[in-house]
Amino acid sequence: SAVISQKPSRDICQRGTSLTIQCQVDSQVTMMFWYRQQPGQSLTLIATANQGSEATYESGFVIDKFPISRPNLTFSTLTVSNMSPEDSSIYLCSVGLGAYNEQFFGPGTRLTVL
Amino acid sequence: GENVEQHPSTLSVQEGDSAVIKCTYSDSASNYFPWYKQELGKRPQLIIDIRSNVGEKKDQRIAVTLNKTAKHFSLHITETQPEDSAVYFCAAYGAAGNKLTFGGGTRVLVKP
Repeated sequence: SAVISQKPSRDICQRGTSLTIQCQVDSQVTMMFWYRQQPGQSLTLIATANQGSEATYESGFVIDKFPISRPNLTFSTLTVSNMSPEDSSIYLCSVGLGAYNEQFFGPGTRLTVL
Repeated sequence: GENVEQHPSTLSVQEGDSAVIKCTYSDSASNYFPWYKQELGKRPQLIIDIRSNVGEKKDQRIAVTLNKTAKHFSLHITETQPEDSAVYFCAAYGAAGNKLTFGGGTRVLVKP
């Protein structure tokens, strides 16, 4: 597995503002992913963070709202832009390891938008 | 794309009994099926997985079975303990999509 950290662990933000979440891994990984987990719900993939190219977004998620950076093989950021209360959720990064992309998750960022 | 359905959504068992969670998937090309356990306020943790060339896999008190023909897989927990109380998620990895699709989750409560 890998050691994965996220910053911040939690935040309370005002609507209309933006928050950038950082994900750091202790080893180089090819695949990094960003998920959203709304209260009491399952995990929904937002996008795959590709190193050296644009992220690949899932249906329902757009780059203007969730811009992602992946400057190297150990780090990625997810920005939640122009936030509304509906964006209140836990945001998790994960890394894929091995031939089957066994995924290991970061501790998550709990976001509350007022 | 892939669709994963998980049942039941909640499961209450007496300590020492067995718990079984079932998932079905839609994409016949899916070839990897992990299970995650998520305790309250914690990150999902990979507890066991199975690949499409295997029908069953065991790890102590947990086991997973896969029926590729029927496109379903199951998690079995034997001799349940209070620390098994958590939300469990199944997932399927589609070869085409290069990503995991998660089931809706099962909240397991083990009553002492």
